[in-house]
Amino acid sequence: AQTVTQSQPEMSVQEAETVTLSCTYDTSENNYYLFWYKQPPSRQMILVIRQEAYKQQNATENRFSVNFQKAAKSFSLKISDSQLGDTAMYFCAFMKHGTGGTSYGKLTFGQGTILTVHP
Amino acid sequence: DAGITQSPRYKITETGRQVTLMCHQTWSHSYMFWYRQDLGHGLRLIYYSAAADITDKGEVPDGYVVSRSKTENFPLTLESATRSQTSVYFCASRQATTYEQYFGPGTRLTVT
Repeated sequence: AQTVTQSQPEMSVQEAETVTLSCTYDTSENNYYLFWYKQPPSRQMILVIRQEAYKQQNATENRFSVNFQKAAKSFSLKISDSQLGDTAMYFCAFMKHGTGGTSYGKLTFGQGTILTVHP
Repeated sequence: DAGITQSPRYKITETGRQVTLMCHQTWSHSYMFWYRQDLGHGLRLIYYSAAADITDKGEVPDGYVVSRSKTENFPLTLESATRSQTSVYFCASRQATTYEQYFGPGTRLTVT
């Protein structure tokens, strides 16, 4: 079984600054995906960024980037130029790679980090 | 409208009552999932389904029942609701060949 741990229950940052959210995971799998989801007050789950474990290059999506350390089983999210709209709960999630059978495609989530961006 | 919908969005029920949460998706995705969200736990998987008539338990299945007679629908039933089942429930779906799960808007359930 996989576990995902987010050790920062809450974080805050000033607008326009950079913040990093931490995530560690435990798995015996070699092929998997890692995700960061954003949940604003509307409660909608929004995919922010994904990383395939077989790729060494860190994923980047505009102001969002990750630092993926496979050996250390660490997957942090960096938000640059923080905006007020980034205020949300952020979840790190793990999914085994593969598309066949019933054992794939399940997401295992961390506990979440509440990020507040201050003006 | 296309997408994934959940109903009701809010529900208050009493302990011991049966309640069914509905989930409907218009993409014909083969995989569907039910999660519950609780403070300090993130989202936890209750049940999932790989296709019509194929379901399996997730991490926290006790007290819940699912069915999937049609690809587009995946109802979740609490047979005898308990206060510990007060939570926000999310349905999600995914194509078999892709990685991304699409989430519904959630149902906030309160058991009194």
